[in-house]
Amino acid sequence: QKEVEQDPGPLSVPEGAIVSLNCTYSNSAFQYFMWYRQYSRKGPELLMYTYSSGNKEDGRFTAQVDKSSKYISLFIRDSQPSDSATYLCAMSAEHNQGGKLIFGQGTELSVKP
Amino acid sequence: DAGVIQSPRHEVTEMGQEVTLRCKPISGHNSLFWYRQTMMRGLELLIYFNNNVPIDDSGMPEDRFSAKMPNASFSTLKIQPSEPRDSAVYFCASSSNRGNYGYTFGSGTRLTVV
Repeated sequence: QKEVEQDPGPLSVPEGAIVSLNCTYSNSAFQYFMWYRQYSRKGPELLMYTYSSGNKEDGRFTAQVDKSSKYISLFIRDSQPSDSATYLCAMSAEHNQGGKLIFGQGTELSVKP
Repeated sequence: DAGVIQSPRHEVTEMGQEVTLRCKPISGHNSLFWYRQTMMRGLELLIYFNNNVPIDDSGMPEDRFSAKMPNASFSTLKIQPSEPRDSAVYFCASSSNRGNYGYTFGSGTRLTVV
């Protein structure tokens, strides 16, 4: 079993839809949770970062962490064609940034105009 | 800042040849990571360095793979001899132990071994 599980999709939605992306994990030591966005033929870029359980909102994006269920989510409101990309969850047990991140497989999202 | 710089962007080589991938991290970042990305396995951590010292190389698939970081501004990942199953996109990322959490990735090197 992988440490981090993420449905690879692909996921196709119409413009304006609410998108829900999810990851589950098995390592209870994970405390730092991130979402990265990766456009085609580019490197991943950090989108959202949360520590421990709770919610974090940034514009149209909301990240949720439920440590009791070992489940994290990313919600995208009013999705736009420019949101079409692969979204990767990532997590770490380390309390400093020198620690390694474990990534999910990535979910490919397509937002149709 | 120019970000994390990787070279070459694309590499096509024949099986058995030596391949060297290069990375220049962001100035001031003290951690450097090498990842490999494939459709089947996603992003896999190969090795990472803190302050130029290798910390965890458990992800390096075989002895054919080696990585060095001779100074804070340069790292190499070498594959010798290369095999077709090494074909993937190789990413370098760097991070700092100060400021916002998260890695900054380079644009990757797309390696094809024929």
